[in-house]
Amino acid sequence: EAGVAQSPRYKIIEKRQSVAFWCNPISGHATLYWYQQILGQGPKLLIQFQNNGVVDDSQLPKDRFSAERLKGVDSTLKIQPAKLEDSAVYLCASSLEGNGYTFGSGTRLTVV
Amino acid sequence: GIQVEQSPPDLILQEGANSTLRCNFSDSVNNLQWFHQNPWGQLINLFYIPSGTKQNGRLSATTVATERYSLLYISSSQTTDSGVYFCAVNYGQNFVFGPGTRLSVLP
Repeated sequence: EAGVAQSPRYKIIEKRQSVAFWCNPISGHATLYWYQQILGQGPKLLIQFQNNGVVDDSQLPKDRFSAERLKGVDSTLKIQPAKLEDSAVYLCASSLEGNGYTFGSGTRLTVV
Repeated sequence: GIQVEQSPPDLILQEGANSTLRCNFSDSVNNLQWFHQNPWGQLINLFYIPSGTKQNGRLSATTVATERYSLLYISSSQTTDSGVYFCAVNYGQNFVFGPGTRLSVLP
């Protein structure tokens, strides 16, 4: 089966600019996650979707981050405006209930 | 919330050596996974192991859910095993990662 697809792989932006990341989960996986991984740390959950509904967004900085999952398939994560501390790898994962998680290759964001 | 600890934080091995990585968690969990994050940042699923023992080639994992720990065994290590190993647990509807063990395998 095809894996979790993410784009772009790399992005460099200036602070205060906006940026968007895209994720296409494994076909049939109802649950989709966005994680933020800062260098040297483990991934931290930003938001979890079940189909097109939000299950958990308690750690999403909602003043600048937003995410949507239209039609319960693809998802986009947006940052507006970006700050220097947003520099990280943004990972998307999907899962099927009762099975493990599969992660995409991630998007490495550098804010300068 | 749940606490997930991993030990050791760093490990340096000579190629061919064996190692054991440990993951402790502070509460009952639904599931547990082990991941390998390679130097390019890709998180590769190694084991989905809520309980019991599984083996895949040179790797095996054991989870003792009642005692709240899991072990990852790497035998005959190779340089390509280098990277960071994470355990992650399902706690309620959340999936929480440990801080990772950074493994360096020297030729």
